[in-house]
Amino acid sequence: NAGVTQTPKFRILKIGQSMTLQCAQDMNHNYMYWYRQDPGMGLKLIYYSVGAGITDKGEVPNGYNVSRSTTEDFPLRLELAAPSQTSVYFCASSYAGLNDEQFFGPGTRLTVL
Amino acid sequence: GENVEQHPSTLSVQEGDSAVIKCTYSDSASNYFPWYKQELGKRPQLIIDIRSNVGEKKDQRIAVTLNKTAKHFSLHITETQPEDSAVYFCAAKGGSTLGRLYFGRGTQLTVWP
Repeated sequence: NAGVTQTPKFRILKIGQSMTLQCAQDMNHNYMYWYRQDPGMGLKLIYYSVGAGITDKGEVPNGYNVSRSTTEDFPLRLELAAPSQTSVYFCASSYAGLNDEQFFGPGTRLTVL
Repeated sequence: GENVEQHPSTLSVQEGDSAVIKCTYSDSASNYFPWYKQELGKRPQLIIDIRSNVGEKKDQRIAVTLNKTAKHFSLHITETQPEDSAVYFCAAKGGSTLGRLYFGRGTQLTVWP
C-alpha cells in the first residue's frame, strides 16, 4: 500500500492564481481530511469528508473548496490564491468506527507570492 | 466543539532525562486521545494513543496517562535520546464528531546530548 499520497510536493503560485492539491489513499478509508500548518504552528482543519459525496467545513475553510467523488480521492481547490495561504498542506485519512488513527500524507509546501 | 490545550510549547531536556507534555480537553464525551510526533520537514506520525476506557498505556520508553475526571492527558518519555527531538502534538476525538480530531498547538522538544 502507498498509504496517503499528495501531489505536488512543492508549488509557487502568484497572487490570484488557482490550483488543485491532489490527495489519494489506497487504504479504503472512509474519512479524509485537509489540514494546513503554518510555520511553527499546529494543524488547522480546512475541510473533511466522511464519505464519497459528503464534505464539511473545518476551522479555516475560507478560500478553499473540496469535492469527494470517490472513496480514494479528496482534492483541495484554492481559488484566487493569497499570501495568507502560504503554508504546508497535509491530507490525512482514517477508518472511523474501526480505528481512529489518522494517517498523514507527506505534505505540499505552497508559497504564494 | 472540542478545545485542546497543550503545555509547554517548548521543552528542553538533557539526554537520559524524562520529558512530560500535558494536554487538557473540554468535551467530556471525547473518547480517543492520540499523540503525534513530527520531525522537521516530515509528516505527523502517530506514536501512541489511548481510549477513554483506559487510564494508562505504555510502549517502551513512551507512556500516556489519562484522567477523565480532570479532563487531561499526558505524554511521558523516559530516557530521552537526541532522536526524540521533534514537535509533539496531542489530540482528542470529540464525542459527537465521528473521526474528527482536535489538535493541540504542539510542543517543541529538544534533547541535548
